[in-house]
Amino acid sequence: QKEVEQDPGPLSVPEGAIVSLNCTYSNSAFQYFMWYRQYSRKGPELLMYTYSSGNKEDGRFTAQVDKSSKYISLFIRDSQPSDSATYLCAMSRGYQKVTFGIGTKLQVIP
Amino acid sequence: NAGVMQNPRHLVRRRGQEARLRCSPMKGHSHVYWYRQLPEEGLKFMVYLQKENIIDESGMPKERFSAEFPKEGPSILRIQQVVRGDSAAYFCASSPSGTGKFTGELFFGEGSRLTVL
Repeated sequence: QKEVEQDPGPLSVPEGAIVSLNCTYSNSAFQYFMWYRQYSRKGPELLMYTYSSGNKEDGRFTAQVDKSSKYISLFIRDSQPSDSATYLCAMSRGYQKVTFGIGTKLQVIP
Repeated sequence: NAGVMQNPRHLVRRRGQEARLRCSPMKGHSHVYWYRQLPEEGLKFMVYLQKENIIDESGMPKERFSAEFPKEGPSILRIQQVVRGDSAAYFCASSPSGTGKFTGELFFGEGSRLTVL
């Protein structure tokens, strides 16, 4: 079993839709939860960071962490074509090593 | 303020040759990480280095792969006697040094894409 499971998609939605992206994990020692966005042929960039359980909102993006279920989510409201990218969940135990999910490829259709 | 710089961006090698990938972290960052990305596997951690020290190499293959981050100059990921299975995108990331909790924020370069013929 992988430490972090993420559906690779692809996920295709119309512009303006609400997008829900999810990951599950098996290691209860993870404390820091991140979402990275990666455009084609580019390096990943950090979108959201959450420590432990709870919600965090930043503009159109909301990150949720449920440690009891080992489940994290990223919601994108009013999705735009520019949101088309691969979204990677990532986790850390507080050490420097970050473990990534495989990434979900999202396409927002105008 | 330059970001993480990786070169070469593209590298083609024949089986048995050596590949050297270089990474200059962001200014003020002294922590460097190397990741390998394959379409069917995602980003896989390889090694974490600080200046002149390898901190965690748990993701590095035991043979043919090595990494260094000297006191002066870029970090280098070296792959000896490359095989076709080494073809991948290799990403370098850096993070700030110093005190405080690690938040997971890594700053990535654009990657080096290795093709082994």
